[in-house]
Amino acid sequence: GAGVSQTPSNKVTEKGKYVELRCDPISGHTALYWYRQSLGQGPEFLIYFQGTGAADDSGLPNDRFFAVRPEGSVSTLKIQRTERGDSAMYLCASSSVSGSTDTQYFGPGTRLTVL
Amino acid sequence: GQNIDQPTEMTATEGAIVQINCTYQTSGFNGLFWYQQHAGEAPTFLSYNVLDGLEEKGRFSSFLSRSKGYSYLLLKELQMKDSASYLCAVSPTSGTYKYIFGTGTRLKVLA
Repeated sequence: GAGVSQTPSNKVTEKGKYVELRCDPISGHTALYWYRQSLGQGPEFLIYFQGTGAADDSGLPNDRFFAVRPEGSVSTLKIQRTERGDSAMYLCASSSVSGSTDTQYFGPGTRLTVL
Repeated sequence: GQNIDQPTEMTATEGAIVQINCTYQTSGFNGLFWYQQHAGEAPTFLSYNVLDGLEEKGRFSSFLSRSKGYSYLLLKELQMKDSASYLCAVSPTSGTYKYIFGTGTRLKVLA
């Protein structure tokens, strides 16, 4: 079946602008995660949704970052007043969470560049 | 704190065997995962260990020792397409299922 999809694949914006990144998880997966990956680093956790609610948002770096998942499927990561330091690959993953260690499956990512 | 350590880079020859080590110190442990990531692409799941011992999957095997906070990924019969970064990730706590990732090991396979 279809995997995790993310749009856009690339986003170039100017400092101070607002951006939205979209994630469509694997059908039936109730858990959804956002990670951020800088060049040469491993992914860093941002936020985790179980259904519609954010179960853990401890990784969001500051209040410019916000994410929603209003119907428990598609999620949008929103970044206000973007800064050059926000440039990174933003990865979304989903899992079925039938147990405590369900495998997370990643989407292709959105590469964000803030000029 | 949470810490995952992996070598930054490794080089091996086509057809050979390579072992990529990972050590971890986390607040809890609910499983360890290995992912493969080609440049510019998403991580792809390779293996999962939650109990001590070796898990084998074709050319790839993964080992875990929880008492030592140690895992390794073993790649046999290396192929050029195995050139990629290999990420070690730990699920540290129950109740929230975020992963803590290492920085990844960049493997170069030479002809």
